[in-house]
Amino acid sequence: DAGITQSPRHKVTETGTPVTLRCHQTENHRYMYWYRQDPGHGLRLIHYSYGVKDTDKGEVSDGYSVSRSKTEDFLLTLESATSSQTSVYFCAISEKDYEQYFGPGTRLTVT
Amino acid sequence: QKEVEQDPGPLSVPEGAIVSLNCTYSNSAFQYFMWYRQYSRKGPELLMYTYSSGNKEDGRFTAQVDKSSKYISLFIRDSQPSDSATYLCAQGAQKLVFGQGTRLTINP
Repeated sequence: DAGITQSPRHKVTETGTPVTLRCHQTENHRYMYWYRQDPGHGLRLIHYSYGVKDTDKGEVSDGYSVSRSKTEDFLLTLESATSSQTSVYFCAISEKDYEQYFGPGTRLTVT
Repeated sequence: QKEVEQDPGPLSVPEGAIVSLNCTYSNSAFQYFMWYRQYSRKGPELLMYTYSSGNKEDGRFTAQVDKSSKYISLFIRDSQPSDSATYLCAQGAQKLVFGQGTRLTINP
């Protein structure tokens, strides 16, 4: 998985609780991304980062925030988890426009 | 209308068959088109990319973009059981837009 780790790999949480997912890379790539994957929707971009402390919203950013204080780490936070945020979350990294490398994913269940 | 449309399948073919996977796109602003392969419970992996229109070949795989019809295709020759996976097309640069993926099964 191209030097990308995600933690935790599985999480079950209750509605209303905050959740933070971590993406860590060892490739020193500039760009980092968070996607969610749901049946019938494919992969959808939540947020991305184009440098330390530089982030932007994606297609489905409502209810999510991100932070990147170091090149290697990109955090995704669900401020108050809802059942609609039950999904598989993938982190990706890239240095070139067309080459994104994905992590192994985090399965999040919100009960 | 989604920007990238892909038939979710499932598609099931015998080993050795030629497989054709297709997507359509609506936004002509982006020139990069990608195909990702995703095995069950794994992250997607980049299979091929093309820039603008035309064909690109890599072993048994050929990616094709037809800008006149806004069609993206992936052809797999001499398909193998190990090709069984979900295939996702994507368009864009940093901010990729993905199709919903086609689940492919190659039967021995």
